[in-house]
Amino acid sequence: GQSLEQPSEVTAVEGAIVQINCTYQTSGFYGLSWYQQHDGGAPTFLSYNALDGLEETGRFSSFLSRSDSYGYLLLQELQMKDSASYFCAVLAGGYNKLIFGAGTRLAVHP
Amino acid sequence: EPEVTQTPSHQVTQMGQEVILRCVPISNHLYFYWYRQILGQKVEFLVSFYNNEISEKSEIFDDQFSVERPDGSNFTLKIRSTKLEDSAMYFCASISQVGGAHTEAFFGQGTRLTVV
Repeated sequence: GQSLEQPSEVTAVEGAIVQINCTYQTSGFYGLSWYQQHDGGAPTFLSYNALDGLEETGRFSSFLSRSDSYGYLLLQELQMKDSASYFCAVLAGGYNKLIFGAGTRLAVHP
Repeated sequence: EPEVTQTPSHQVTQMGQEVILRCVPISNHLYFYWYRQILGQKVEFLVSFYNNEISEKSEIFDDQFSVERPDGSNFTLKIRSTKLEDSAMYFCASISQVGGAHTEAFFGQGTRLTVV
């Protein structure tokens, strides 16, 4: 089976940097994704790492270490609108199963 | 910009009734998914669909559930006899291709199902 662990909540102030970690156990791993979900909304794609290393997209970066079964999402220059839930997700099980972690609720305060 | 559309946005049904949730994935996508999210909880995988058949399903996806792609554009989730615990937000998603350097799932806005 697959399992993903991430912190349930993170709090930070505007302008700060926050890192959300994710560890996973899965068979047939192909890549680690991150999704953002605002209350009442749909998950929206942020990033995908298939290979080890850091991927940067604007204020957001994502890192993967396949040997450690570990990744993180780094959010810089936090803004109030970044308050949302962030989910790591693994593509596993023969390409056809995208499994989500339980989500990390990020609260950004002034 | 292409998007996944789901209808209805909200459905209320009586326990024991059948419901059909509808989705139109992005037209050139190949992989289709249904997810369920109970309020405030995780996004739970239900089923994936590829090449006109189910490719993976979770333990939640029991005999009460079925999926169809009847006409090459719509992708439906049917719940035969709804239970109170089926109340949740149901999301449809599609992916153009998987593997390689970039794999992005596009989600619809969801159907909120309330079973009373």
